[in-house]
Amino acid sequence: EAQVTQNPRYLITVTGKKLTVTCSQNMNHEYMSWYRQDPGLGLRQIYYSMNVEVTDKGDVPEGYKVSRKEKRNFPLILESPSPNQTSLYFCASRDRGSSGANVLTFGAGSRLTVL
Amino acid sequence: DAKTTQPPSMDCAEGRAANLPCNHSTISGNEYVYWYRQIHSQGPQYIIHGLKNNETNEMASLIITEDRKSSTLILPHATLRDTAVYYCIVRVGRGENQGGKLIFGQGTELSVKP
Repeated sequence: EAQVTQNPRYLITVTGKKLTVTCSQNMNHEYMSWYRQDPGLGLRQIYYSMNVEVTDKGDVPEGYKVSRKEKRNFPLILESPSPNQTSLYFCASRDRGSSGANVLTFGAGSRLTVL
Repeated sequence: DAKTTQPPSMDCAEGRAANLPCNHSTISGNEYVYWYRQIHSQGPQYIIHGLKNNETNEMASLIITEDRKSSTLILPHATLRDTAVYYCIVRVGRGENQGGKLIFGQGTELSVKP
């Protein structure tokens, strides 16, 4: 089944303890992206990657790092998590539809709480 | 990017058609209209997209007005499982991050009632 898989789905951690949220897709998509979702703010893009070894900042990159060493994986790294990074995180990869438009496939989400 | 305007909430009776409107009066010629939905904190799910013509797939139909300033997503026979937040997004179709960086606003919260 074509999908985007995120892990962990739920995590409670403490301030300053480094963590990584993994994202893997099995659709051979070149483009991958991370979003966070907060009440009243919608989904905001954190980082994106156009291809292997190519990453760039989205709208809210502060406090996050990413890497893209393989096409299928795009981990999100929080080097020193803070409570304002408590959020619901989504990874997505992009398909190219027959019309030439671009369609995103999202993972199920990772709910992170930083105490 | 063109701004979209959607009603914050709508109700629909189970089995009836749900018609969700979206205004995008500043849409430009190379911008697609996308619809996604999000069921209770799950990952957003792609529904349908279109450029100029009306579109239909197994999930829904998309009606775009001739001047492209508005569109309507139609769920022909709404079920309880269609209760979700529906997002109308306007974005260019190609190039760099443009196609992938979809901007999700507040959407329309659709409640399908028995």
